[in-house]
Amino acid sequence: DQQVKQNSPSLSVQEGRISILNCDYTNSMFDYFLWYKKYPAEGPTFLISISSIKDKNEDGRFTVFLNKSAKHLSLHIVPSQPGDSAVYFCAATLITGANNLFFGTGTRLTVIP
Amino acid sequence: NAGVTQTPKFRVLKTGQSMTLLCAQDMNHEYMYWYRQDPGMGLRLIHYSVGEGTTAKGEVPDGYNVSRLKKQNFLLGLESAAPSQTSVYFCASSYGWRRDGYTFGSGTRLTVV
Repeated sequence: DQQVKQNSPSLSVQEGRISILNCDYTNSMFDYFLWYKKYPAEGPTFLISISSIKDKNEDGRFTVFLNKSAKHLSLHIVPSQPGDSAVYFCAATLITGANNLFFGTGTRLTVIP
Repeated sequence: NAGVTQTPKFRVLKTGQSMTLLCAQDMNHEYMYWYRQDPGMGLRLIHYSVGEGTTAKGEVPDGYNVSRLKKQNFLLGLESAAPSQTSVYFCASSYGWRRDGYTFGSGTRLTVV
C-alpha cells in the first residue's frame, strides 16, 4: 500500500511561471519530508526537505509547504526554468524505526521554453 | 569524482540465473541502501546496511541477498532471477541518520527474460 502518493504523473509549465508539485501521505508517524529530483539515466539527487515541526522551507527558487492536518505537501518552483525538467519524487521518513525513505511514484515536470 | 558507483549499468538475465550487483562509495559513508524502482511505484527499499559487516531487510527483501564485507562496498545478489525482478536498481549511501544526505548511484537496469 503506497504511503506516499503523487497523483499527477506529469506536469507541463511555461518557462518563468510557477511549478507546483503535490504529494499526499497517509502515515501520521512521518516526521520528515524530502523532495528528490531525477534526470534520465541518473540517480535521484536531494533537492529540499522539511521537518514536521515547520510548515514552510525555502531554498532559492524552491519552497516546500507542509500541511500536516491535510497530510499534504507541495513543492513550488519559481520561476521555472527548462533545466528544472526532470522527475520529482516526494519522500517521507518515520520518527522511529529503520532509516528508510518512503518514496512517491514521481511527477515528471516539463518546463517549456 | 566522489560518489556512488554501480556496476553494471545494464544486464539481461535468463530466468533462474544468478548475478551480483556491485555498489561502491568513496565518501566514507556508514549507511548504504539498495532500492528498486518500478513503473507506477516509488523507489522501494530492498536491504540496507548501517555499517561494515551488518545488513538488514527493507520493504521488499524477498529474492535478494546482500553483503557488506567492506565499508565502501555493498553487494546485492539475485540467486535465482525471476521476471518479477526486472527493474531499475539504485544504490545509495549516507552519513548515519542524515536524511537529506542520501547520495544515489546512477542505477542498474536489469531485465529478466
